Amino acid sequence: ELKVEQNPLFLSMQEGKNYTIYCNYSTTSDRLYWYRQDPGKSLESLFVLLSNGAVKQEGRLMASLDTKARLSTLHITAAVHDLSATYFCAVTITASKLTFGTGTRLQVTL
Amino acid sequence: NAGVTQTPKFRVLKTGQSMTLLCAQDMNHEYMYWYRQDPGMGLRLIHYSVGEGTTAKGEVPDGYNVSRLKKQNFLLGLESAAPSQTSVYFCASSYLQLGAGNIQYFGAGTRLSVL
Repeated sequence: ELKVEQNPLFLSMQEGKNYTIYCNYSTTSDRLYWYRQDPGKSLESLFVLLSNGAVKQEGRLMASLDTKARLSTLHITAAVHDLSATYFCAVTITASKLTFGTGTRLQVTL
Repeated sequence: NAGVTQTPKFRVLKTGQSMTLLCAQDMNHEYMYWYRQDPGMGLRLIHYSVGEGTTAKGEVPDGYNVSRLKKQNFLLGLESAAPSQTSVYFCASSYLQLGAGNIQYFGAGTRLSVL
């Protein structure tokens, strides 16, 4: 059974600081997704990582994938309040299904 | 573009009542999914469909049934609601994209309370 774990579960950080969210998974996979969910809203796709060593960046967010370590990271650079949300990673081992992590709730304070 | 539309947005049921949640997508996607989201547990897959007329069980299928009679619609039924089914339900759709995997597009969610 595929297990996907994220840490931390909750992260409070000051504006301007850097931090990293970690996503570990238990079974070999080379496809990993990051989603963002604002409070009371739906999920939006952020990144798709499709191979070992893949790195994607948009704005202050950068995601990477190490399939050998079964680890993905979401790095936040110089956080701003607008990044406050819950971030989910999700992994697939069959083409049609995703298994989601428990989510990391990020709160960026002034 | 409407994308993925869920109906209703909110519902309160009494234990033992039945209801159907409707998901409609206008993107011609082959795959559709129903998830539930509970605090501290992320999203858990209830049922999914890989094409019209097909359905399959996910991680937490007990107490739910689904049907996909038309490609654009995916219905989730609760035959006899229980308080444990109080949750936020999300529908998603997707298709396999060469070089982009299986990006799922989500509806706005249905908040269900079972008293």
